[in-house]
Amino acid sequence: EVQLVESGGGLVQPGGSLRLSCAASGFTFSSYWMHWVRQAPGKGLVWVSRINSDGSSTNYADSVKGRFTISRDNAKNTLYLQMNSLRAEDTAVYYCARVEMATITHDYWGQGTLVTVSS
Amino acid sequence: QSALTQPASVSGSPGQSITISCTGTSSDVGGYNYVSWYQQHPGKAPKLMIYDVSNRPAGVSNRFSGSKSGNTASLTISGLQAEDEADYYCSSYISSSTLVVFGGGTKLTVL
Repeated sequence: EVQLVESGGGLVQPGGSLRLSCAASGFTFSSYWMHWVRQAPGKGLVWVSRINSDGSSTNYADSVKGRFTISRDNAKNTLYLQMNSLRAEDTAVYYCARVEMATITHDYWGQGTLVTVSS
Repeated sequence: QSALTQPASVSGSPGQSITISCTGTSSDVGGYNYVSWYQQHPGKAPKLMIYDVSNRPAGVSNRFSGSKSGNTASLTISGLQAEDEADYYCSSYISSSTLVVFGGGTKLTVL
């Protein structure tokens, strides 16, 4: 059974940092691209970042470029999102999602972890 | 890039059929057969319901179907049931560095 379990969310002050983790199991993690997608309270889904299967290629939404860094450890079956210079508008539930590369379909999602940026 | 356009809300009675639209451009919905639909119940993670415009993953009810015409994709739910009440999001491959764009979401109310 495919499982994705996020952790690392919490309350952080503006300008602060957090590192999210996503532990994967039930599939060959190293064969899949992975995405982070976020959802602000009461709002829709927004793509945040992508990493290819071996970690050599990454992309970011303009809103987080230069502040967030996606990475992965295929030996540990874990995806990461390092978030720096956090702003109030980064407040959201952050989901990791497995990606079917050919069609950019998010076929499995984690349960999400809430990040709240507030003083 | 702008989000795909979905109606904010739709509603229907049990047993009826409803359709949710998802309008994009020739750079996303209209240009590729890579539209997906996700169901999200309150406080839960999204769940894939339709991929590649009209394909259902294993375990998804055949009451859910997808289609596309031009720059607009559609999700149809037939024989509405109470448990179908949820938010629905479309997404599409897009020819940009982001590769994916989501719709704004549609709240389905089963009356």
